[in-house]
Amino acid sequence: GESVGLHLPTLSVQEGDNSIINCAYSNSASDYFIWYKQESGKGPQFIIDIRSNMDKRQGQRVTVLLNKTVKHLSLQIAATQPGDSAVYFCAEKAAGNKLTFGGGTRVLVKP
Amino acid sequence: DAGVIQSPRHEVTEMGQEVTLRCKPISGHDYLFWYRQTMMRGLELLIYFNNNVPIDDSGMPEDRFSAKMPNASFSTLKIQPSEPRDSAVYFCASSSQGGTGAFFGQGTRLTVV
Repeated sequence: GESVGLHLPTLSVQEGDNSIINCAYSNSASDYFIWYKQESGKGPQFIIDIRSNMDKRQGQRVTVLLNKTVKHLSLQIAATQPGDSAVYFCAEKAAGNKLTFGGGTRVLVKP
Repeated sequence: DAGVIQSPRHEVTEMGQEVTLRCKPISGHDYLFWYRQTMMRGLELLIYFNNNVPIDDSGMPEDRFSAKMPNASFSTLKIQPSEPRDSAVYFCASSSQGGTGAFFGQGTRLTVV
């Protein structure tokens, strides 16, 4: 399944640089926030999540920051690699495991 | 585990025909979601089930769309009659109670001509 195409915001980043992808969410009652990566022809793939009572969580080369005051979420990718080229979605989880997705950001890694 | 399995991967059908999309969730997961992805609307939640029971179908666009989950290992999404504007990629995803994220299948690309 191809990702959402022409209307996506795009982040172009040089290989080896850090990437920052931003997301605004709407539901103050959401208890988890999740970042997904979607490569062309594939379904969204879980990257990292963060609980609403945290403001930072780190994974392997990725860090998620949560600012509940302004309802803002960001994903930082360290030392971006060609394999990081994809569309990235944030999602918020409210009651009942229901996930609501943002519009997505396309990341293009330049060699 | 093989992950969430969807079939078919691609479906081309004529307007007015019935279309059935199939999904096998990850074993042990008790939530199942159907999403639709288009260029214009992004990822939209159509319906989700918990323990085989539909919980929220407010995203189902019209009565032409219906979904069932007869048992914990199988779900279908049916469109009858199909229309060209139904063309999209349809994803099935599953998750477990207490799990934070859903695992997605590879999707079914539907083209209605």
